[in-house]
Amino acid sequence: QQPVQSPQAVILREGEDAVINCSSSKALYSVHWYRQKHGEAPVFLMILLKGGEQKGHEKISASFNEKKQQSSLYLTASQLSYSGTYFCGTEEKTSYDKVIFGPGTSLSVIP
Amino acid sequence: DVKVTQSSRYLVKRTGEKVFLECVQDMDHENMFWYRQDPGLGLRLIYFSYDVKMKEKGDIPEGYSVSREKKERFSLILESASTNQTSMYLCASGYQPQHFGDGTRLSIL
Repeated sequence: QQPVQSPQAVILREGEDAVINCSSSKALYSVHWYRQKHGEAPVFLMILLKGGEQKGHEKISASFNEKKQQSSLYLTASQLSYSGTYFCGTEEKTSYDKVIFGPGTSLSVIP
Repeated sequence: DVKVTQSSRYLVKRTGEKVFLECVQDMDHENMFWYRQDPGLGLRLIYFSYDVKMKEKGDIPEGYSVSREKKERFSLILESASTNQTSMYLCASGYQPQHFGDGTRLSIL
C-alpha cells in the first residue's frame, strides 16, 4: 500500500528549513528516502531500519517512528541544490525486498 | 559506481505493438525492479525480480510481463501496448539502496 507524503509541494527561500512527512498504514521494516531532480534518475539519500533511528546526510536528516509507522525528512538551512522531488519508500514487514514509493513531495528552493 | 542502463531514453510505439524495454546492471545485484512514474502518482512498482527466472508482481502488473534470463538483464514487456501505458519507465537494481537508471519515456500513439 502506497505511503502518504505531506506536503505535496513546498517552496522555500535559501536558508529556510523544511520537514517532509511519510506515513503508512502497514507495519514497516524500513523507510527509504530518495531525491529526484528534474529530468534525472532518483538518487538515494538514506535508509532508516530501526524504530526511533535517526540519520543524517549533510544538512538533511531523517527519523523513523516504528510504532506510528511514520518517518520525517528534515532539511536544514536549505540550499538551491536541494530543489527536486523527494520520495519516501516503505518496506513492509510482511514483504521484504519490495519497496513501495509515495507520490513524492516537490521542493523548490528560491534565492 | 553502480551503473544501471536502460536501452532507450525515448521511445514511440503504436497501439497494439509488443514493446520491449531493456535494463542492464553491472553490479551483480540479485534484485531488480521496474517502476512507472506518472505526475502526482510517484513511482509505482510494476514487477520485481530477486533472482534469475524469478519474478513477483508489484502493484500494477496488468498489461505487463517481465523476463530475467540473465542476472544482469531485466526486461519489461508490454504485450499489446495501449495509450494508457504512455509513461516514464524506471528500472532499478540493488537493495538498500536501489540504484535507478535514467528512465525511458514511452509514448504510445
